[in-house]
Amino acid sequence: GQNIDQPTEMTATEGAIVQINCTYQTSGFNGLFWYQQHAGEAPTFLSYNVLDGLEEKGRFSSFLSRSKGYSYLLLKELQMKDSASYLCAVHTNAGKSTFGDGTTLTVKP
Amino acid sequence: DSGVTQTPKHLITATGQRVTLRCSPRSGDLSVYWYQQSLDQGLQFLIQYYNGEERAKGNILERFSAQQFPDLHSELNLSSLELGDSALYFCASSPTPQHGYTFGSGTRLTVV
Repeated sequence: GQNIDQPTEMTATEGAIVQINCTYQTSGFNGLFWYQQHAGEAPTFLSYNVLDGLEEKGRFSSFLSRSKGYSYLLLKELQMKDSASYLCAVHTNAGKSTFGDGTTLTVKP
Repeated sequence: DSGVTQTPKHLITATGQRVTLRCSPRSGDLSVYWYQQSLDQGLQFLIQYYNGEERAKGNILERFSAQQFPDLHSELNLSSLELGDSALYFCASSPTPQHGYTFGSGTRLTVV
């Protein structure tokens, strides 16, 4: 089976930097996704890491360490609109993605 | 508009009934995934289809079934509905895993 852990809630200040961690245990690992989901809306794709290291996309960066079963999403220059749930998902060679329960991020002024 | 279309957006039905949720994937995407999201749970993988064939199965109840048609649209059938089946049901499509999933806006099912 698969086990994915991420913090339930985090709070940060507008303009700051926040790091959301995700640890996982799985077999047949292919890659790791990060999605953003605003309340009542569909998740939207942020990043997909296959190899170890950091990938940067504008204000968002994602890091992966396959040997440690660890990933993080880094959000810089936080804006109020970044308040959302951030979902870590492990994709396996069985062809499916298993999602963590998500981290609810609240950005305060 | 993500390009993935789900209908209906909202559905209210009684216990014991049967409903069908419909999904049209983004143009060119052969894979369709169904997920259930309850208030107290994260996204739970139900089932995946690829070009008309079942590819992967998650914790899908026996009361639930799905299929993907030749035109690539998919339907999720939920029968003998229970109160606990109330949830948001998302459909997603993808050309390849590296592109991530594109989710539809979901169908909110309320069983009363």
